[in-house]
Amino acid sequence: RKEVEQDPGPFNVPEGATVAFNCTYSNSASQSFFWYRQDCRKEPKLLMSVYSSGNEDGRFTAQLNRASQYISLLIRDSKLSDSATYLCVVKPRGYNKLIFGAGTRLAVHP
Amino acid sequence: EAQVTQNPRYLITVTGKKLTVTCSQNMNHEYMSWYRQDPGLGLRQIYYSMNVEVTDKGDVPEGYKVSRKEKRNFPLILESPSPNQTSLYFCASVSPLADTQYFGPGTRLTVL
Repeated sequence: RKEVEQDPGPFNVPEGATVAFNCTYSNSASQSFFWYRQDCRKEPKLLMSVYSSGNEDGRFTAQLNRASQYISLLIRDSKLSDSATYLCVVKPRGYNKLIFGAGTRLAVHP
Repeated sequence: EAQVTQNPRYLITVTGKKLTVTCSQNMNHEYMSWYRQDPGLGLRQIYYSMNVEVTDKGDVPEGYKVSRKEKRNFPLILESPSPNQTSLYFCASVSPLADTQYFGPGTRLTVL
């Protein structure tokens, strides 16, 4: 079983749609959680950290459920520029490394 | 401007011909890391370095070497490349306060 699992997609949605991505992780001792965004053939970039209380950044909302070992990302009012691959990332406690999911691809169309 | 640079960006080589991919950061970060990215597998850590002269294996270190003689540079060395090392490689520099990884632009390597 992969340490971080994501639905690979692709998610094809029209502009303005709301889309949700889910991610599960296997290590219950994981400490920190992130969503990264990766455009085609480019480097990943931090989109947002994920906190236990949930957090929002404009149209983006991230949620963490430690009991279920589950992370989500909600994108409201999708834009064409949101088309990218979204990577779920987990940092285990006591380790100086990040574990990346394989990513979920989003394609927003007019 | 804070950045991580990698060179070369693209490389086609042949089996067994030693190569080095350079990585440099200007943020004075102590922690740096190398990843490879393959379709369906996500990013996998090859090696990391906690500081100058301190390096350790990641999840997929076989066939790779690294060195950290200066804080800003963290080259990745393939002594005898093989076709299964064809991949997209990213160097990353890590901010200690925010756990944020700053990635270089990537090096697309093809080994024939």
